[in-house]
Amino acid sequence: NAGVTQTPKFQVLKTGQSMTLQCAQDMNHNSMYWYRQDPGMGLRLIYYSASEGTTDKGEVPNGYNVSRLNKREFSLRLESAAPSQTSVYFCASQGLVYEQFFGPGTRLTVL
Amino acid sequence: GESVGLHLPTLSVQEGDNSIINCAYSNSASDYFIWYKQESGKGPQFIIDIRSNMDKRQGQRVTVLLNKTVKHLSLQIAATQPGDSAVYFCAENPGGGADGLTFGKGTHLIIQP
Repeated sequence: NAGVTQTPKFQVLKTGQSMTLQCAQDMNHNSMYWYRQDPGMGLRLIYYSASEGTTDKGEVPNGYNVSRLNKREFSLRLESAAPSQTSVYFCASQGLVYEQFFGPGTRLTVL
Repeated sequence: GESVGLHLPTLSVQEGDNSIINCAYSNSASDYFIWYKQESGKGPQFIIDIRSNMDKRQGQRVTVLLNKTVKHLSLQIAATQPGDSAVYFCAENPGGGADGLTFGKGTHLIIQP
């Protein structure tokens, strides 16, 4: 099992560019999550999908959109990137118990 | 071992000593708490969890204590090893179910040889 995988690992964007961060899990989990982590901070929830076909806003959703493509995949889109979105983005999944499993992260820099 | 205050960004301990990392949580309705370890350049890794109907839970070399009266959580690591060097985060599940976790700021554990 690969667990939770994320692509790309690194990305540099210019202000105003768009991109999609990809996430997939192979644990047959119902719930998936996107977090961002700024330097010296804990993770903050951007969006989540409690089950296939549903998505909900988290603590910091502004400037992002998500798509739950199927049970395995949950993508995060930045339509018009801003320097304030420079961060490390983590995807996670959760099964029947509350433990969340995290991917390795995507390090995004917006110039 | 070394005990710390409510939250310190950095904790330095001698190899072989016990470490205690503290965390205050915000929501008295939270029913699930979890500790994660994050090594440099990696995603958070599960260490141990505890439900609100428990005060203490033990794992391999780790113990989590929950004090609901003062909304306080602690992680104890026995016989700290160099491989324990990382940032440790506590997290709570305030909404229950699949609503996502709320993370604390994290404590960087540094192991002195």
